[in-house]
Amino acid sequence: DVKVTQSSRYLVKRTGEKVFLECVQDMDHENMFWYRQDPGLGLRLIYFSYDVKMKEKGDIPEGYSVSREKKERFSLILESASTNQTSMYLCASNVGGLAGYEQYFGPGTRLTVT
Amino acid sequence: TQLLEQSPQFLSIQEGENLTVYCNSSSVFSSLQWYRQEPGEGPVLLVTVVTGGEVKKLKRLTFQFGDARKDSSLHITAAQPGDTGLYLCAGEGAAGNKLTFGGGTRVLVKP
Repeated sequence: DVKVTQSSRYLVKRTGEKVFLECVQDMDHENMFWYRQDPGLGLRLIYFSYDVKMKEKGDIPEGYSVSREKKERFSLILESASTNQTSMYLCASNVGGLAGYEQYFGPGTRLTVT
Repeated sequence: TQLLEQSPQFLSIQEGENLTVYCNSSSVFSSLQWYRQEPGEGPVLLVTVVTGGEVKKLKRLTFQFGDARKDSSLHITAAQPGDTGLYLCAGEGAAGNKLTFGGGTRVLVKP
């Protein structure tokens, strides 16, 4: 079974703090993705990575950065958290090639920025 | 930017009733996926449709991809409380590598 784990289920941070969200997958997948999920907006892609040290911007990268130093781990960084970054953050992974292959999701991290 | 519109946003029905969820776009997608997400979990893939006009069945769920590959529908027959969840459609563009998600349809099936 593919397993995607995220470091925290719930997180509360203050405005201006630096926030790290960690994601680990155990299936040797090449592609990894970070989304945020807001009611009525579905999932919006923040960043994705198709290989170690490679990253590409998604649809809403502003205010975020990512790091992929190892194949199994993909980190999302909020350099200076703001209240409009309060959201559910979902990590996903799939095999290399097109993203049309099934994406496997972690359980999500609900981040609240106060 | 490719957009996917899902309708309705919310659906509440009694057990045993049928329901249909729609996913529409003005863009063509090379494939379309449907996911279901339950509270506290990430989305889980239900089906992928690839060919225009394709119909796939998964027990009581029927998925259809429009002939022009711009729209899709999910029909549930004789809904059960276990069908409760958030249903998301996601389209893969011609360039690949990324999925565009619809806003989701929250389905509540009451016993």
